[in-house]
Amino acid sequence: QSVLTQPPSVSAAPGQKVTISCSGSTSNIMNNFVSWFRQFPGTAPKLLIYDNNKRPSEIPDRFSGSKSGTSATLGITGLQTGDEADYYCGTWDSSVSAVVFGGGTKLTVL
Amino acid sequence: QVQLVQSGAEVKKPGASVKVSCKASGYTFKNYGITWVRQAPGQGLEWVGWISAYKGDTNSAQKLQGRVTMTTDTSTSTAYMELRSLRSDDTAVYFCARGEEQWLPYFDYWGQGTLVTVSS
Repeated sequence: QSVLTQPPSVSAAPGQKVTISCSGSTSNIMNNFVSWFRQFPGTAPKLLIYDNNKRPSEIPDRFSGSKSGTSATLGITGLQTGDEADYYCGTWDSSVSAVVFGGGTKLTVL
Repeated sequence: QVQLVQSGAEVKKPGASVKVSCKASGYTFKNYGITWVRQAPGQGLEWVGWISAYKGDTNSAQKLQGRVTMTTDTSTSTAYMELRSLRSDDTAVYFCARGEEQWLPYFDYWGQGTLVTVSS
């Protein structure tokens, strides 16, 4: 059971927008930076969003991040079949002095 | 370009130890830390721990404390993660990632992963 809660799966049609939620608590999301990672099967995760809403230079602006209170959200617009992957949120948890991750969300582009 | 290259897959018996290496290149090794993350088959990501390549300070997940040791060799820009008293639920792919601070999940470069299988 993960400290951060994500929906197990989300789906949307090509070209549409999807959001993935990440719910935590005051000891983690509320007071620390949130990152988002994308992982294709059999490969290492890749950083999509850091510091709640910043994108590494190579990540297109179709990807966005936001945070409010104890929850964070990843948004993806203009969905492509190549976006099908697992997405994870992560942040520091002060109560356990560790980085914690969500359980992951599988994105299906129908 | 920044690269993290990990050692190859390992098969160990319960109770044994494993040591995974992560060789960094393309950046000043001492300026960053190394985070270790593992992923059991079909499961999500689990933080193992972090080590400062400069000071050698470490922090590890509570459930692994006492069994995991992280070290670095600055002369070869290599980080190591040793896990002892292996159990079947330690079977996972172990990733190293570059991380500035233990409290900041800014993991911008990752190794390719090392599969550790624990089986009798």
